[in-house]
Amino acid sequence: SQKIEQNSEALNIQEGKTATLTCNYTNYSPAYLQWYRQDPGRGPVFLLLIRENEKEKRKERLKVTFDTTLKQSLFHITASQPADSATYLCALPDQTGANNLFFGTGTRLTVIP
Amino acid sequence: DAGVIQSPRHEVTEMGQEVTLRCKPISGHDYLFWYRQTMMRGLELLIYFNNNVPIDDSGMPEDRFSAKMPNASFSTLKIQPSEPRDSAVYFCASSFDGYTEAFFGQGTRLTVV
Repeated sequence: SQKIEQNSEALNIQEGKTATLTCNYTNYSPAYLQWYRQDPGRGPVFLLLIRENEKEKRKERLKVTFDTTLKQSLFHITASQPADSATYLCALPDQTGANNLFFGTGTRLTVIP
Repeated sequence: DAGVIQSPRHEVTEMGQEVTLRCKPISGHDYLFWYRQTMMRGLELLIYFNNNVPIDDSGMPEDRFSAKMPNASFSTLKIQPSEPRDSAVYFCASSFDGYTEAFFGQGTRLTVV
């Protein structure tokens, strides 16, 4: 079965710096990958989706890359702000192509003022 | 639309009791997912429905868990009998086509004592 790893449980960075979070997967080639943000006591909120034929996608201060050779996605937050502090989750569809999502364990980002 | 609505937000019950969690998906979404989140295991997919039909329940931990979707606007997840190890946050999510973003509810925090 597919395995999704988010390398860091927690990441602390200084305000204004770029945060880079990593998502690695094994055993198959997903057609797309998604990133979500989760705040304490709330459900995950969708941020970005990147497809296998896209190398990079941007949305405001967010940038996602998708390297299907390395089986890795990088999630960047530029000019980070304390309000960006949250847990970030990557999600991939089932390897059979079914319409469901499996999530990584998440990286808890803290932006220090 | 008010988003995905789950009830109750919090549930405390005694071991052996029946617990029913409820979910109202976003109108027009054909896919509904039930997830469970714990510190140890992260966000786990339990079951998902397409057009009210259960498609994949391989994530349901055991026969004590059951889920139904009697119509497009309502789903339940039932645990009978409940056990302390069922304590977790249970999320319901819906999606338009299963390939795009999933919208999560606020979750139900279940504590079984």
